Amino acid sequence: EPEVTQTPSHQVTQMGQEVILRCVPISNHLYFYWYRQILGQKVEFLVSFYNNEISEKSEIFDDQFSVERPDGSNFTLKIRSTKLEDSAMYFCASSEWTGNTGELFFGEGSRLTVL
Amino acid sequence: AQSVTQLGSHVSVSEGALVLLRCNYSSSVPPYLFWYVQYPNQGLQLLLKYTSAATLVKGINGFEAEFKKSETSFHLTKPSAHMSDAAEYFCAVGGGFKTIFGAGTRLFVKA
Repeated sequence: EPEVTQTPSHQVTQMGQEVILRCVPISNHLYFYWYRQILGQKVEFLVSFYNNEISEKSEIFDDQFSVERPDGSNFTLKIRSTKLEDSAMYFCASSEWTGNTGELFFGEGSRLTVL
Repeated sequence: AQSVTQLGSHVSVSEGALVLLRCNYSSSVPPYLFWYVQYPNQGLQLLLKYTSAATLVKGINGFEAEFKKSETSFHLTKPSAHMSDAAEYFCAVGGGFKTIFGAGTRLFVKA
């Protein structure tokens, strides 16, 4: 069964360092998303991406964040200068199409710990 | 703006008992609603979705949910809990380029 894969599963970094989280969406999906979940809190929308550009982003997704689809398979989230409060589980998701009935398929997440 | 509120951050039931997880939504347009489940150390998996075709929606693992417009609710139920149902459950409202999740309800199942 096709699945979304994420790497690394866990990354520990020092405050101020740059981090890149990688995702391989399901191959025939066209829409890509990043969500994050701070420990014990809700799953929060960060950004959606379609046709090589950002479709929508939340207020969390400020200038320190960026997304990219560098090739035909990967979808990355970059955090330029990490802060302690960036510590969270980051989930990548993809969907075949958007619209109200678009089911999201999630990866297993990348846990980021900022020290 | 769309949002969902899940009532109860933790629910505990005995094995074989009814499971009821509550979700209320707010939406200025006809909503499309989802329930996702998250097992420990895993991503979120779709349980079921409401897309206006039928108000009672059946999902995987014996779960179902009923859309009630008058109550702005989309509660998740299962007639008989199983130990394997222990997980975190998220109600979500979708539309456009993003899906908004509720805070989640952790379900505990006692033997």
